Amino acid sequence: DTGVSQDPRHKITKRGQNVTFRCDPISEHNRLYWYRQTLGQGPEFLTYFQNEAQLEKSRLLSDRFSAERPKGSFSTLEIQRTEQGDSAMYLCASSTGTGREGYTFGSGTRLTVV
Amino acid sequence: AQSVTQPDIHITVSEGASLELRCNYSYGATPYLFWYVQSPGQGLQLLLKYFSGDTLVQGIKGFEAEFKRSQSSFNLRKPSVHWSDAAEYFCAVGDQTGANNLFFGTGTRLTVIP
Repeated sequence: DTGVSQDPRHKITKRGQNVTFRCDPISEHNRLYWYRQTLGQGPEFLTYFQNEAQLEKSRLLSDRFSAERPKGSFSTLEIQRTEQGDSAMYLCASSTGTGREGYTFGSGTRLTVV
Repeated sequence: AQSVTQPDIHITVSEGASLELRCNYSYGATPYLFWYVQSPGQGLQLLLKYFSGDTLVQGIKGFEAEFKRSQSSFNLRKPSVHWSDAAEYFCAVGDQTGANNLFFGTGTRLTVIP
């Protein structure tokens, strides 16, 4: 297993466009998390899945954001009608769900909205 | 509510010198605590974790951290810093319920000078 993979690594988009990011977790991990990290800040929780079920969403996740994890494998995060404030690093992480081991993070997708 | 404070935004040390990065947390019960390291443009790598037992925990790359309940602290230490240790370091507290979210501090940027 090569760890958590995220695609693309970088995305530049014009304001108002839609973007979609993909995350492939470690195969035996049933929990998948999305975090957002802005410059000079620590990562902030957006949402998480246990298998295919999206169980919690942060208030940071506006209506323009949607995440899916079909079949409990990879996950996608879509941002509709992007705004400049959406520019950030979007990090995906996975875990086995006990909470004790921490997460394994991907390398992130850097979004720039121009 | 859970929170993490990293009081030092930026620390500069000479190569070979010792290092201590401070972390204070707020959590209602015995916390799960983590230190992650992030190189520029990369995801986060787990250095070490604490959830019970011995309060001095050893991690990768020669790092260690000590949990002090009385001070609500989990400071990261390394006896001799290498130039490759230059990075951003994040302390996190893990929520033991529900999503097992991680709450991150704002990070400490470490610069190593020759």
